[in-house]
Amino acid sequence: GQQVMQIPQYQHVQEGEDFTTYCNSSTTLSNIQWYKQRPGGHPVFLIQLVKSGEVKKQKRLTFQFGEAKKNSSLHITATQTTDVGTYFCADENSGGSNYKLTFGKGTLLTVNP
Amino acid sequence: DTGVSQDPRHKITKRGQNVTFRCDPISEHNRLYWYRQTLGQGPEFLTYFQNEAQLEKSRLLSDRFSAERPKGSFSTLEIQRTEQGDSAMYLCASSSPNSGDGDTQYFGPGTRLTVL
Repeated sequence: GQQVMQIPQYQHVQEGEDFTTYCNSSTTLSNIQWYKQRPGGHPVFLIQLVKSGEVKKQKRLTFQFGEAKKNSSLHITATQTTDVGTYFCADENSGGSNYKLTFGKGTLLTVNP
Repeated sequence: DTGVSQDPRHKITKRGQNVTFRCDPISEHNRLYWYRQTLGQGPEFLTYFQNEAQLEKSRLLSDRFSAERPKGSFSTLEIQRTEQGDSAMYLCASSSPNSGDGDTQYFGPGTRLTVL
């Protein structure tokens, strides 16, 4: 079935450094959603990318969707301690009555102050 | 606070016991989802309701698992004869195609189940 791979699994940075997590699929993605889960918390929706080559920004976060819709990335500029958490990408199977999300394993980001 | 609530937040049970979890979605959302998350993994889809109709069930949902949404509002997830492998965080999410936010799924805080 549909699989979404994320790399790296873990990333430790010094505060102020940049961070990028990558999401890849062997098949074309319907659309990509990104979620953040703080330690002990639940996934919180960040953004959805739908169009090929789409780029969206939220303050220090930049999200990209690949031209072939088989990969996506999340880049954080100048990380802060509040960025700590696990970042998940998820593909939405938007066909018929099926709207389930298929999540990657996530990238755990830790930030050293 | 996303508006999705789950009860209980934590459940410890002995192997072989039955447990039931409740999810109250955001009030105007007609779609409700159950996911399971284990340590170091992303949430895995279990089942999906549109109103009161259960439209899809994952193969992960063995016959010991049953979910209901009798009036199209709150939902319950029951696990019978629990096994240690059932220990996980059970997450509920809700969404609406008419909410103006692209049918975004909003997650509740989850119920953490520990089977001893």
